[in-house]
Order: sequence, then structure tokens, then C-alpha cells
Amino acid sequence: ETGVTQTPRHLVMGMTNKKSLKCEQHLGHNAMYWYKQSAKKPLELMFVYSLEERVENNSVPSRFSPECPNSSHLFLHLHTLQPEDSALYLCASSQDLWQGLEQYFGPGTRLTVT
Amino acid sequence: TQLLEQSPQFLSIQEGENLTVYCNSSSVFSSLQWYRQEPGEGPVLLVTVVTGGEVKKLKRLTFQFGDARKDSSLHITAAQPGDTGLYLCAGEDNDMRFGAGTRLTVKP
Repeated sequence: ETGVTQTPRHLVMGMTNKKSLKCEQHLGHNAMYWYKQSAKKPLELMFVYSLEERVENNSVPSRFSPECPNSSHLFLHLHTLQPEDSALYLCASSQDLWQGLEQYFGPGTRLTVT
Repeated sequence: TQLLEQSPQFLSIQEGENLTVYCNSSSVFSSLQWYRQEPGEGPVLLVTVVTGGEVKKLKRLTFQFGDARKDSSLHITAAQPGDTGLYLCAGEDNDMRFGAGTRLTVKP
């Protein structure tokens, strides 16, 4: 595997479910990011990790909980989501934090909350 | 408030036509990137511009960074169906911002 991979690619969950999104980067990068992409809206930065430490949390509701066990893996744990949380969730990585915004994105997880 | 305004929001043209899309802001950016995103995929970086007035070319794509580093344009010459996608600009100030994108469709 090369680049940034995300699983699952599609997820449908009820509002009472608990699920997790997984991201893995095979690039040896030190920084990883979670974004939310909704239709007709800019990408929203959710969480930033550098060397496995969370460095930014942009006022994201607590029903989203990130985890970075090592520099290659990033998780987004989901619980009691709302229908408006339906979106494409993108993971990205860069060599170091921000790195001039030269980020490498995964294909995303299309999440539908019913 | 959307700090990076992209226009037009949608653009549909015939193969062979030229087009320009814009990315405007009231903020000054230390660098600005353009990405292309195809359906079912994540954004892919096309170019980074850093210096005010900078022009970069990538085959049929020409990117320009405004002199004041607040805006940028992407010009495509002789568009092809393979150029179809969502074009996103992203700027770095003290944080990072993405525009909502221009969705381009090139019809054969």
C-alpha cells in the first residue's frame, strides 16, 4: 500500500451507534489531519496531530473523538451522531506540521447518519 | 464567514475551450495551494505558490498568485474531459483555510 488509505470507504450508521474511522499513511509523515467535507462548503479542519500529539481541535463536538496511537495511524471515533454530521471525512498527512499545506489526502469515508 | 471565495462555483464547458477560475480573500497568505478532487477521491495537490506575482505552469494549467498574496487564479488552456473535477484553493495564514471549490465539467 502506498499513500494514505482510509477505511471504511462508506459507512451508514444510526444516531445511537458507535463506529470508528481509520486512516493509515505509508509516507513516513509526522503530521496527520482530519477534515470534514460537506456539499457546497469548504473543507473544515477538525483535528491536527503532530508526532502523535494533538495540536489543534477546532471546536469540534465531543461526539467526535480522535486517536493517534502512532505516527502512521489516525482514528476518528464516532458516537451519538446527528444527521447533519453526514459528510465525507478526509484524512491527510504531511511531512511535518502544515509543511506549506502540501498535504496528501486519503480517498475519504462517506458517512451517512440516519 | 468563508475566508476564501472561489468563483465560479460551477463551470461547464466544451472540450477545447479555455477557462479561468478564481480564489479571492481579504487575508494575506504566506502560501497558497491548488488541489483537484475527483469523485470518490481525496484532493490531490497541483501546485504551491509562495511569492506575490508568482506564475507557475503545469502543462496546460497556469497558476498565478496575486501581488498582494490575497488572491490566485487558475487558467486552463484547451480543456479536456480529464480536467473534470472539483478545484480547491487553500491558503495558509496563521491557520489554514480551504475554499468551497469550483466544480468543473468538460464535455467531450
